[in-house]
Amino acid sequence: GAVVSQHPSWVICKSGTSVKIECRSLDFQATTMFWYRQFPKQSLMLMATSNEGSKATYEQGVEKDKFLINHASLTLSTLTVTSAHPEDSSFYICSAADSTVNSPLHFGNGTRLTVT
Amino acid sequence: AQSVTQPDIHITVSEGASLELRCNYSYGATPYLFWYVQSPGQGLQLLLKYFSGDTLVQGIKGFEAEFKRSQSSFNLRKPSVHWSDAAEYFCAAEERGGSEKLVFGKGTKLTVNP
Repeated sequence: GAVVSQHPSWVICKSGTSVKIECRSLDFQATTMFWYRQFPKQSLMLMATSNEGSKATYEQGVEKDKFLINHASLTLSTLTVTSAHPEDSSFYICSAADSTVNSPLHFGNGTRLTVT
Repeated sequence: AQSVTQPDIHITVSEGASLELRCNYSYGATPYLFWYVQSPGQGLQLLLKYFSGDTLVQGIKGFEAEFKRSQSSFNLRKPSVHWSDAAEYFCAAEERGGSEKLVFGKGTKLTVNP
């Protein structure tokens, strides 16, 4: 079945540094990918919609200059948390849907980011 | 505004007992509906989905869900719960003909007692 790979699965970084998270669709093409953030014991909140070859669409309240999204190919989207701060610590999950069929979203296994 | 409500934050059942997790949605038109399961520190796995047609949907791991338009509900059921079903369950909705953006409920944590 369709698989979405997310890397790294966990990362620890120091305040002020940047962290890049990758989301890959392994066996299908995805013109659109989604990035979610999940706080402990909370639901998933959509951060942005990543569009292949164009700018991402950010949800209200999400800082686009802080959470940089690049969707350079039909199988890869990246989320870069710039100048990370402890409050950015969270669980980030990406999802993607097969562009060629009417299929539901498939989710990556998430990335646990801890900013110290 | 579009929303998905899961009234139960935490449910505890005994192994072998039946299970029903509630989900209600508020949309202008009937959305696509989904149930996902999340184990700790993991991503989400799709259990089942409703697009149209038969209102009783069968999913993986023995789960099923019933769409009831009159109640704006999409409740998840399982006749006999296994200890491995302990996880967080999320109901989600997507606007038809929209942008594939999912709106999630807040989730229901399932604990299974031996």
